[in-house]
Amino acid sequence: GAGVSQSPSNKVTEKGKDVELRCDPISGHTALYWYRQRLGQGLEFLIYFQGNSAPDKSGLPSDRFSAERTGESVSTLTIQRTQQEDSAVYLCASSSPRLYEQYFGPGTRLTVT
Amino acid sequence: AQSVTQLDSQVPVFEEAPVELRCNYSSSVSVYLFWYVQYPNQGLQLLLKYLSGSTLVKGINGFEAEFNKSQTSFHLRKPSVHISDTAEYFCAVSDTGTASKLTFGTGTRLQVTL
Repeated sequence: GAGVSQSPSNKVTEKGKDVELRCDPISGHTALYWYRQRLGQGLEFLIYFQGNSAPDKSGLPSDRFSAERTGESVSTLTIQRTQQEDSAVYLCASSSPRLYEQYFGPGTRLTVT
Repeated sequence: AQSVTQLDSQVPVFEEAPVELRCNYSSSVSVYLFWYVQYPNQGLQLLLKYLSGSTLVKGINGFEAEFNKSQTSFHLRKPSVHISDTAEYFCAVSDTGTASKLTFGTGTRLQVTL
């Protein structure tokens, strides 16, 4: 596609429910990243996929967070038993390693009530 | 580990005035440096990047930044701002070894007024 796409754009969920966020990277980009942006704060790294290598999960805040990626395509970020502090915009980015430049999607705004 | 400091959370400036947004970083390894802009209700867009070579980097929309290794800084400048430059600006670093995750600063809100 022309850019990184994410769905849904907005998600409101009740505390304790599970949510799945989806990211479609730019075609041909081998690297995919998830970040979280809380209100009024910078972006926090969550997880990084590079080709078939083991993902870098060092930024996941708890074991309630997990992510999968199928080959070099779609990725899903799953948050189990959501808490109010999970409310944030979740951003996905992809890159071609040679360019060292990450292209960001529009984000998914998650609100946990 | 790396960290990025953007000391100014907000910078108000009049249209056509010059502006500098400050960014300092800390890292034990060599880094790549980036500035991203986030317009209201939009995603992040790359303004410019420093990978190697000339320490003065020019980006889109008339912005430029200078890498200063001794001061571990990468300040963003524009000689004359426009109303349309009103946005949130984020400085970020990644290590050169893997060019992987970005570490972001907390952002600077540039508010341009008439």
